[in-house]
Amino acid sequence: QVQLQESGPGLVRPSQTLSLTCTVSGDSITRGAYYWSWIRQSPGKGLDWIAYIYHSGTTYYNPSLKGRVTSTVDTSKNQFSLKLNSVTATDTAVYYCARVKISASLHFDNWGQGTLVTVSS
Amino acid sequence: SYALTQPPSVSVAPGKTARITCGGNNVGSKSVHWYQHKSGQAPVLVISYNRDRPSEIPARFSGSNSGNTATLTISRVEAGDEADYYCQVWDTRSDHVVFGGGTKLTVL
Repeated sequence: QVQLQESGPGLVRPSQTLSLTCTVSGDSITRGAYYWSWIRQSPGKGLDWIAYIYHSGTTYYNPSLKGRVTSTVDTSKNQFSLKLNSVTATDTAVYYCARVKISASLHFDNWGQGTLVTVSS
Repeated sequence: SYALTQPPSVSVAPGKTARITCGGNNVGSKSVHWYQHKSGQAPVLVISYNRDRPSEIPARFSGSNSGNTATLTISRVEAGDEADYYCQVWDTRSDHVVFGGGTKLTVL
């Protein structure tokens, strides 16, 4: 059974860079059948897709965040990461990593528990 | 960009049927996926490809999709079904993922 676990600082200062890592266990990140993704949920709001990445490094980003977001993969550690720069209070959210089934229509078949990141001085 | 619209809330009595809609322009031509999200927990896929149910999801959960509306139906609702439900599609033209705004299901 695949498991995903987010890790990273819970508090980030405004204008700084938010950095998170997702560690995957029970599956290889290089297995070609999946992308790996980041989703967030701001307080009182719905789910918001951020990015997804293939083990080759090919990435797709939400255009509303493009320019501030970068996702990378470390196959040696079976991890993938998220960096969001120039953060503001509106980036405060629970951040989830998830596995994306590559098929006729992408969907998320396994999720991490999520990690709360607060942007505050 | 493509958008999905869900009602903010749906209320239903235990044992009754809940229907949660997801509206979008010609959404019937797309595959819709549904997630259950309980507070403090990871979201769970409950329906994929409009009507396919993962093996661990009870048969009380079903889905349909036609025209401009996709629907998640929960039969014989239980207190444990109380959660937020999200629909999701993949916009193949842009390779972007789109979520609906979510519907809070309240079991009375």
